[in-house]
Amino acid sequence: NAGVMQNPRHLVRRRGQEARLRCSPMKGHSHVYWYRQLPEEGLKFMVYLQKENIIDESGMPKERFSAEFPKEGPSILRIQQVVRGDSAAYFCASSPRLAGGPQETQYFGPGTRLLVL
Amino acid sequence: AQSVTQPDIHITVSEGASLELRCNYSYGATPYLFWYVQSPGQGLQLLLKYFSGDTLVQGIKGFEAEFKRSQSSFNLRKPSVHWSDAAEYFCAVEPGGSYIPTFGRGTSLIVHP
Repeated sequence: NAGVMQNPRHLVRRRGQEARLRCSPMKGHSHVYWYRQLPEEGLKFMVYLQKENIIDESGMPKERFSAEFPKEGPSILRIQQVVRGDSAAYFCASSPRLAGGPQETQYFGPGTRLLVL
Repeated sequence: AQSVTQPDIHITVSEGASLELRCNYSYGATPYLFWYVQSPGQGLQLLLKYFSGDTLVQGIKGFEAEFKRSQSSFNLRKPSVHWSDAAEYFCAVEPGGSYIPTFGRGTSLIVHP
């Protein structure tokens, strides 16, 4: 059973360009969570999605950032008009049911390192 | 809101020595507590978690952690460190019933041969 897949692993963009980060959850997992890790900081929650639904986007910046998890295909985190401050590692996690209970755990992907020049 | 403090940014130990990584949290009730390890260029791997019951929790790779309510701490320990344990370690807390963990800033473990 393959783990959580993220691609690309590294992404370089110039200021003003768009960044698209993809996350394929583990097989059988329908819950996806996105986190951002700034240099020398812990992970910060961004958004929680189920198939075709955004459940909680309380951690998402109000502008330029969006996320989706279509019925078919990977979850996408999209950053429009990137700025240098967007440079970070973006991690995706998945779970088969809503995480937060003793029986459920989020499984993390390897992350996408975004560098904005 | 809950918070997590990992007071040590870097810890250096010799291979074979014992290890303790500190984690203190701030939360009104007993939260769920986690330790994750992140190897360079990799995602986070869950080492262990505490929800209730026995305050000494055993995890993978020979790690254990002890929940001390009176000290609001959840320190990670290993009796004998291996060179492959060199990595970044994150403590996280989660209010009961929430799915959003709050992570500490991490402790970087350096292992000398």
